[in-house]
Amino acid sequence: AQTVTQSQPEMSVQEAETVTLSCTYDTSESDYYLFWYKQPPSRQMILVIRQEAYKQQNATENRFSVNFQKAAKSFSLKISDSQLGDAAMYFCAYRSAGTGKLIFGQGTTLQVKP
Amino acid sequence: ETGVTQTPRHLVMGMTNKKSLKCEQHLGHNAMYWYKQSAKKPLELMFVYSLEERVENNSVPSRFSPECPNSSHLFLHLHTLQPEDSALYLCASSQDRTNEKLFFGSGTQLSVL
Repeated sequence: AQTVTQSQPEMSVQEAETVTLSCTYDTSESDYYLFWYKQPPSRQMILVIRQEAYKQQNATENRFSVNFQKAAKSFSLKISDSQLGDAAMYFCAYRSAGTGKLIFGQGTTLQVKP
Repeated sequence: ETGVTQTPRHLVMGMTNKKSLKCEQHLGHNAMYWYKQSAKKPLELMFVYSLEERVENNSVPSRFSPECPNSSHLFLHLHTLQPEDSALYLCASSQDRTNEKLFFGSGTQLSVL
């Protein structure tokens, strides 16, 4: 069975600085997708970035980028030039390309200090 | 706003009550999902509907009863709940079951007394 682990329950970063959130996963599949979702106080989960496992190039979306290490089964999220609006809970998620099942990690709460 | 609307936003109910959670999506999607988010735990998938047909039920107790009358609406009927059922219930939709992009609503925060 696949699992997703986020080992950092809480992180904090100074405004305008860079922070990296960690995520590891376990799977025997070769074809899958990885995601980072953001859940602000409004509670609505918002997709931040996605990565296809067959792509070696790391995904980027503006200030958000990932470090995808397939062999190590690691998928970290880097937030550059952090803004107050980035404060939220961040969830790493794995989706099997075969079954379509989406599995979430426990989440990391990010605090951004002004 | 992602196009997925959930009501009510908050709900407090006793263990003998019957209530329903509603989800509506305005995205033309064919798949809808119910997730449960408890404190300190990962999101748990409860039910999946594809083209109004339930295609997945992840060992959810029968006190939770989903209903999908059409592709835009999804309900979760609740009866004789337990205090441990208190959680945030999130609805999501996607173009179809094979599409990996999920759009979530803001959830219903449920408290069972």
